[in-house]
Amino acid sequence: AQTVTQSQPEMSVQEAETVTLSCTYDTSESNYYLFWYKQPPSRQMILVIRQEAYKQQNATENRFSVNFQKAAKSFSLKISDSQLGDTAMYFCAFCRGTGTASKLTFGTGTRLQVTL
Amino acid sequence: DAGVIQSPRHEVTEMGQEVTLRCKPISGHNSLFWYRQTMMRGLELLIYFNNNVPIDDSGMPEDRFSAKMPNASFSTLKIQPSEPRDSAVYFCASSLEYASGANVLTFGAGSRLTVL
Repeated sequence: AQTVTQSQPEMSVQEAETVTLSCTYDTSESNYYLFWYKQPPSRQMILVIRQEAYKQQNATENRFSVNFQKAAKSFSLKISDSQLGDTAMYFCAFCRGTGTASKLTFGTGTRLQVTL
Repeated sequence: DAGVIQSPRHEVTEMGQEVTLRCKPISGHNSLFWYRQTMMRGLELLIYFNNNVPIDDSGMPEDRFSAKMPNASFSTLKIQPSEPRDSAVYFCASSLEYASGANVLTFGAGSRLTVL
């Protein structure tokens, strides 16, 4: 079974600063996908970024980028130029690359507070 | 595209009552997932459907829970009888699955259930 660990329950960052959220996972699979989802106070789960394990290049989406270290089974999220609207719970998630469906295994989340 | 639509947004009921949560996935998506979110257990996959067929219901907690997908545009999650420990936010998500698997899930806004 796969496990996803987010060791930082809460983090705080000042507006315009950069913050990195940590995520590690455990799997015996060689083909898989990793995701970061954001859950603001509105409760909606929003995809932030997606990484395919077979791609060595780190995924980026505007101010969001990941540091994917496959050997270390690490998948951190970097948020640059933090904005107040980035305040949310952030969930790291794992999905097998083969099989019948995209079942996600989520970490416990990191609550990020962006302050003035 | 209206996204994944869930109803009701909030439900408060008394122990022993039947609860039905509803979900309309994104048109054209062929897989649907029901997740439950609680403080204690985080996000858990309850069941998922592919082409309206239940594929994996191993996450359904007990026989009081049942889910159906009578057609590609509608699914229900029913709890009968409900108990206070069922209080949680229930999310529905859908995706378009390719043969290679692991695709982006789009989540609904969730249904917050409170069982008194």
